[in-house]
Formats: sequence, C-alpha cells, structure tokens
Amino acid sequence: AQSVAQPEDQVNVAEGNPLTVKCTYSVSGNPYLFWYVQYPNRGLQFLLKYITGDNLVKGSYGFEAEFNKSQTSFHLKKPSALVSDSALYFCAVRVNTGGFKTIFGAGTRLFVKA
Amino acid sequence: NAGVTQTPKFQVLKTGQSMTLQCAQDMNHNSMYWYRQDPGMGLRLIYYSASEGTTDKGEVPNGYNVSRLNKREFSLRLESAAPSQTSVYFCASSDQQGAGNTIYFGEGSWLTVV
Repeated sequence: AQSVAQPEDQVNVAEGNPLTVKCTYSVSGNPYLFWYVQYPNRGLQFLLKYITGDNLVKGSYGFEAEFNKSQTSFHLKKPSALVSDSALYFCAVRVNTGGFKTIFGAGTRLFVKA
Repeated sequence: NAGVTQTPKFQVLKTGQSMTLQCAQDMNHNSMYWYRQDPGMGLRLIYYSASEGTTDKGEVPNGYNVSRLNKREFSLRLESAAPSQTSVYFCASSDQQGAGNTIYFGEGSWLTVV
C-alpha cells in the first residue's frame, strides 16, 4: 500500500535551535513529495516539494527538505526555529493510481518555545 | 487574491439534517477536492473532480455527494448528517492532475453534528 508516515505527533524545540520534522514514505514508482503547514484555524499552505533533481529542496519561510531515496525519507528542516514556526506540518506524497492523488501524513505539531 | 473560498465557516447540524458546503476558486484550476480533517488522521479525501464535468470518489465518500457546478465551483452535500461526520472540511484545488501540482486549500468549514 502506498503511504506516508510522520512518526512524531509533536516536536518541541527552543527558538534559535535547528528543527527537524520527519517523514517517510512508501510508494511504487517515483515519489512526488510535498510539505504543507497549517496554522490554527486556517487551511493548509504549501511549503515546498520534491519532484526531481537536487535532493535538497528549499521552500518558503526558510524551510528546506532533503529527499533520501535509500531511506525513503523526506525530512523537513530549518537551521534556526522561530516561535512563529509553531504550527501543524503535513508531509504528503502524490501517487499515480490511474490518476494522481495526494496522500497526507497524520501531521506533526511543532512547538517552538521562546 | 481570494484563492479558494468555502462557506459556511461554522455550522451545527442535528442528526438527520442536510446541508451543502459551497466552494469556489478563482485560480482557473481544473481539479477540485473535498477533504475532511480529523485529529490524528491527517486529511482524507472525500471526493474529487479532475476536471469540469467529472467527479470521483476518494477514500471516504460514504454519506456525501458532490456537484461540480462549473469550473469554479464544487459543492459537498450531506444528505442526512450523522455525528461521525463532525469534522473540519477543506475544499482545495490544483491546476491539473499532474504529479507535481501543488494543492491550494480553503480556510476550512467546522461542522458539528449533534
């Protein structure tokens, strides 16, 4: 079955420290990977995506993610966390099942403490 | 720049009542989606419309119907609401059904069925 997993329900980090939000996937064929962020009482917003090419993808708000094919991972990273980064983060994979559809992970809540 | 607009934002229904969630996008996107978000379960696809004139079931279509009224509008109907349909509903759209296409979300509709 094609799936995406976010192994941590919650990640806590101090402001100014680096942050990592983990994501692993299981798909047949080439993976098309996305990160979205959801702030309280809002819809999801696109952060970044990996389609092909460089394994390190840079996105909005200083976030980046590294595609690792051997580990089937696409972890989200930021060198220096801000309190305003506190939100719910979703990893997603787009798969072709006779038509493309997007599978979302369960989400990881990030708390950045001042 | 409105993007994806959905109404109502909040609704309380009694079991057995019916209602329609409205959604419109102004980005000239071909594909539109309805998701529900429940704690710890991420986003689950209810129905989608790959293009005007077509609709297809997603992961959790039971209890729902949809109408792609035109290219801009995609409505979700609950014919006989049940407490299990208490959730946050998100309408979304994307340019087309390709692998790398980003999904754009509305702000969400909070539905409570009592």
